[in-house]
Amino acid sequence: AQSVAQPEDQVNVAEGNPLTVKCTYSVSGNPYLFWYVQYPNRGLQFLLKYITGDNLVKGSYGFEAEFNKSQTSFHLKKPSALVSDSALYFCAVRDKGTNAGKSTFGDGTTLTVKP
Amino acid sequence: GAGVSQSPSNKVTEKGKDVELRCDPISGHTALYWYRQSLGQGLEFLIYFQGNSAPDKSGLPSDRFSAERTGGSVSTLTIQRTQQEDSAVYLCASSLKGQGADGYTFGSGTRLTVV
Repeated sequence: AQSVAQPEDQVNVAEGNPLTVKCTYSVSGNPYLFWYVQYPNRGLQFLLKYITGDNLVKGSYGFEAEFNKSQTSFHLKKPSALVSDSALYFCAVRDKGTNAGKSTFGDGTTLTVKP
Repeated sequence: GAGVSQSPSNKVTEKGKDVELRCDPISGHTALYWYRQSLGQGLEFLIYFQGNSAPDKSGLPSDRFSAERTGGSVSTLTIQRTQQEDSAVYLCASSLKGQGADGYTFGSGTRLTVV
């Protein structure tokens, strides 16, 4: 079985400050990990993914995420937040070993960046 | 097409009626997924298609829910005898191969309201 936990329903950050949105996962094998973003009144968009190799993954809009195997985490980060980053963020996992086609999503974290 | 297209974008139906939701994936994407997103909830997996077959339909909540895909392209999700708890946003996504590290491209969703 595969699962994802996003421990924070809400993250509030001041514009210009660094942001972190937390994600931990559980899989029986090795994971593929993903972050998606849902802006207000818009569809879900793919941000970045971890497949293998370098633990720091860079994605769209200046976001990056760090894979930590020992802590089974894949936290989303950005060095300097923008008001326009305010959105709902989802972490997702897919188990490489089971050949499963589906990704399992977390419950989402609402990021609010205040000017 | 250029993106994943879902129709209708909004559907209001009376309890007990049947509804059909349509998804037109990106051309050439062999994998297609249905998820639903209830207010304040994460994404709940419903069914996964690889080509025209559905290797994983474990997320369908009851036998009132069914889905098919024809020609390796368009998919239809049918809900029979709708109930108020079926109210949600139904999201369709596609990916190039399904089994692997592909991220999903999501449609804008169908907002279903059962009154």
